[in-house]
Amino acid sequence: AQSVSQHNHHVILSEAASLELGCNYSYGGTVNLFWYVQYPGQHLQLLLKYFSGDPLVKGIKGFEAEFIKSKFSFNLRKPSVQWSDTAEYFCAVIMNRDDKIIFGKGTRLHILP
Amino acid sequence: KAGVTQTPRYLIKTRGQQVTLSCSPISGHRSVSWYQQTPGQGLQFLFEYFSETQRNKGNFPGRFSGRQFSNSRSEMNVSTLELGDSALYLCASSLAPAGQGASEQYFGPGTRLTVT
Repeated sequence: AQSVSQHNHHVILSEAASLELGCNYSYGGTVNLFWYVQYPGQHLQLLLKYFSGDPLVKGIKGFEAEFIKSKFSFNLRKPSVQWSDTAEYFCAVIMNRDDKIIFGKGTRLHILP
Repeated sequence: KAGVTQTPRYLIKTRGQQVTLSCSPISGHRSVSWYQQTPGQGLQFLFEYFSETQRNKGNFPGRFSGRQFSNSRSEMNVSTLELGDSALYLCASSLAPAGQGASEQYFGPGTRLTVT
């Protein structure tokens, strides 16, 4: 079955540390890829997306993600996190065979001030 | 531009009852998707509507249904409520259907449904 895996359920970092959150999916065809973020008490909002072209995608607030097709991965990175990055992060994939969007179970990121 | 709105924001129902949730998409968006969010299962796709037609459906029982109106507003209905239906129900709208160019989704605040 098609699935999206976020291996880190809970991550704790200190401010200024570098961040990488993993996202893997199980589908060999064409995909559209997204990272969403949910700050405490707020709506889910889009961080960045990949449809085609340059596999290194830059999003808002200094986040970026790299699509590595051979590894079925779309990991989220930020070189230096801030306390305000404390949130839950969701990877989402549209597998174009049936156009259903599948979300990972999310990673809770907690940044220590 | 106003965001996605969902009503009601909170709802408490009893087992066996039915419930209808409403979603108004961003103006100009014709695709509306519904999700169930729970701590254990995360975000699970319920269904997607585009131009009043159900375009896709997740793996939920037939008790979960929806529809979309000509103004793109959407409703979701759950009949014969069960305790396990307690969740945050999220609606998202997009310009285009999932899998097409401008299909990033904008989420509403959700409806928190509690079934007792």
